[in-house]
Amino acid sequence: AQSVTQLGSHVSVSEGALVLLRCNYSSSVPPYLFWYVQYPNQGLQLLLKYTTGATLVKGINGFEAEFKKSETSFHLTKPSAHMSDAAEYFCAVSQGGATNKLIFGTGTLLAVQP
Amino acid sequence: DGGITQSPKYLFRKEGQNVTLSCEQNLNHDAMYWYRQDPGQGLRLIYYSQIVNDFQKGDIAEGYSVSREKKESFPLTVTSAQKNPTAFYLCATTQGPEQYFGPGTRLTVT
Repeated sequence: AQSVTQLGSHVSVSEGALVLLRCNYSSSVPPYLFWYVQYPNQGLQLLLKYTTGATLVKGINGFEAEFKKSETSFHLTKPSAHMSDAAEYFCAVSQGGATNKLIFGTGTLLAVQP
Repeated sequence: DGGITQSPKYLFRKEGQNVTLSCEQNLNHDAMYWYRQDPGQGLRLIYYSQIVNDFQKGDIAEGYSVSREKKESFPLTVTSAQKNPTAFYLCATTQGPEQYFGPGTRLTVT
């Protein structure tokens, strides 16, 4: 069965500092991996995805993530945090296929301090 | 303007009443999903539908029901059998590996 673990339910960084949100997954087949962002009382917005090909993927708002098969990780990074990055971030894994069901991590709430 | 709409944004009901949450999409996507979100638990799949007139239970289907009579619409009914219905409900569609989410409905049952 697939699963996703996000280390750290709350992360706080200073404005301008590096953002690192951790995600580890388990999957018996090559996974599709996603990061979504959620602002309060809103739906989820796709930040970036890995399906095949280049293991370093770039997303919106300056975020990027690297798929490391050997470490079963897909950590999200941004070189310099902005106040507008404060939100909850979810990592998700899917096997694709007909049902395309997503398995979500429990989320990481990112706070950005001025 | 393409997208997924969920209405209403906030919904209040008394315990023991059934309530139906709306999800409409004009993206022409085949598959639609319903998730429930609780603090600290991420998103959990309630029901999903890959084509019209067909749907499957997700991980937490007990106390919920759905229908898929039209491609554009996938309403979710929260029945009185659902023991803890207060939550944020999200509808999603997919056409490819990623899913696209609506703005959500926050249901409060007292």
